[in-house]
Amino acid sequence: AQSVTQPDIHITVSEGASLELRCNYSYGATPYLFWYVQSPGQGLQLLLKYFSGDTLVQGIKGFEAEFKRSQSSFNLRKPSVHWSDAAEYFCAVGAEDMGRRALTFGSGTRLQVQP
Amino acid sequence: KAGVTQTPRYLIKTRGQQVTLSCSPISGHRSVSWYQQTPGQGLQFLFEYFSETQRNKGNFPGRFSGRQFSNSRSEMNVSTLELGDSALYLCASSSGTGMNTEAFFGQGTRLTVV
Repeated sequence: AQSVTQPDIHITVSEGASLELRCNYSYGATPYLFWYVQSPGQGLQLLLKYFSGDTLVQGIKGFEAEFKRSQSSFNLRKPSVHWSDAAEYFCAVGAEDMGRRALTFGSGTRLQVQP
Repeated sequence: KAGVTQTPRYLIKTRGQQVTLSCSPISGHRSVSWYQQTPGQGLQFLFEYFSETQRNKGNFPGRFSGRQFSNSRSEMNVSTLELGDSALYLCASSSGTGMNTEAFFGQGTRLTVV
């Protein structure tokens, strides 16, 4: 069974500083990897996804993530954080078994942005 | 086009009661998945429906059930509510069942069991 670990429960960065959120996964085959963001009281919005090909993927809102198979990691990065980026971020791995889909989520990282 | 619509947004129920939550997917989407989000357990997969058929089910007791109608709208039902069922229930729709089709999430239904 697949699993996802987000080691950082809470991160605080200053506005304009760079950001890296860590994600490690466990999955036997080539994973489908996702990063979602959730603002308070809202659903999840997809930031980016990796299925295959180029290991550096670009997403919305200036985010990018790099898939490193050797480290089983899919860390999310942003060069300059904006106050509006304050939210909770979830890494997820997708399993596709005989056409059935399910996402396994990490426990999330809450991002606080200081002015 | 309209996003995924979940109703109601908030719900308060008493232990032992049952509850039905509704999800209207994006027009044209035939796959609907449900997730439960709690502070303790995080986001957990409940079930997935495609063309009125349950294709996948997470590790939840039989008190949790769902269905999908011919118009792709989906409902989930929780019977004999327990305090631990208090959670944000999220629905996601996608155009297909493959993992390469993006899942769009609704804003969720916040269920409080008292």
